[in-house]
Amino acid sequence: GAGVSQSPSNKVTEKGKDVELRCDPISGHTALYWYRQSLGQGLEFLIYFQGNSAPDKSGLPSDRFSAERTGGSVSTLTIQRTQQEDSAVYLCASSYPAASSPSSLAKNIQYFGAGTRLSVL
Amino acid sequence: AQSVAQPEDQVNVAEGNPLTVKCTYSVSGNPYLFWYVQYPNRGLQFLLKYITGDNLVKGSYGFEAEFNKSQTSFHLKKPSALVSDSALYFCAVSPSNTGKLIFGQGTTLQVKP
Repeated sequence: GAGVSQSPSNKVTEKGKDVELRCDPISGHTALYWYRQSLGQGLEFLIYFQGNSAPDKSGLPSDRFSAERTGGSVSTLTIQRTQQEDSAVYLCASSYPAASSPSSLAKNIQYFGAGTRLSVL
Repeated sequence: AQSVAQPEDQVNVAEGNPLTVKCTYSVSGNPYLFWYVQYPNRGLQFLLKYITGDNLVKGSYGFEAEFNKSQTSFHLKKPSALVSDSALYFCAVSPSNTGKLIFGQGTTLQVKP
């Protein structure tokens, strides 16, 4: 696609339920990132996938959060047993890896999707 | 600890006047610095970046930013503000190109006619 696509755009769930958020990166981008944007915490890094390397999970706030990336493309962020403090906008971004960017202009730039707004009631 | 600070929650300027949105950072190694803009209910849009080279970086929509190593700052500037520039601006750093971005808290820019 032309840009990073995230679905759903909005998700309302009940406390304790599991949710899955989807991210479809820009074609050709092998790096994929998840961030969370909330009023109290600002923009926080969650997890980073780069090709076939082990993901950098250092930003995941608890073991209720997990993410996978199948086939090196689409990624799913799963939140189990949701809590009210999980309410936030979840943003996905993708980029070329620095070593293989098609141009210096594209190098290191992360392109963001519109996000999924999660509301936990 | 690696961090980014945007000391102003909000910046107000009149249309046509110059604007500055401040950013300072603390990171080990060579920083990769970025500015992003977010319009309501939209994702983040890339404005400009500093990786290496000239300290003055020019980006989209007439914005520019100056990298100052001694002051560890990367302030965003524009010579003449437009009402349409009103948005939320984020400064970010990627420590030695580790991939992930560390963001500042964001600064709301309000440009009044």
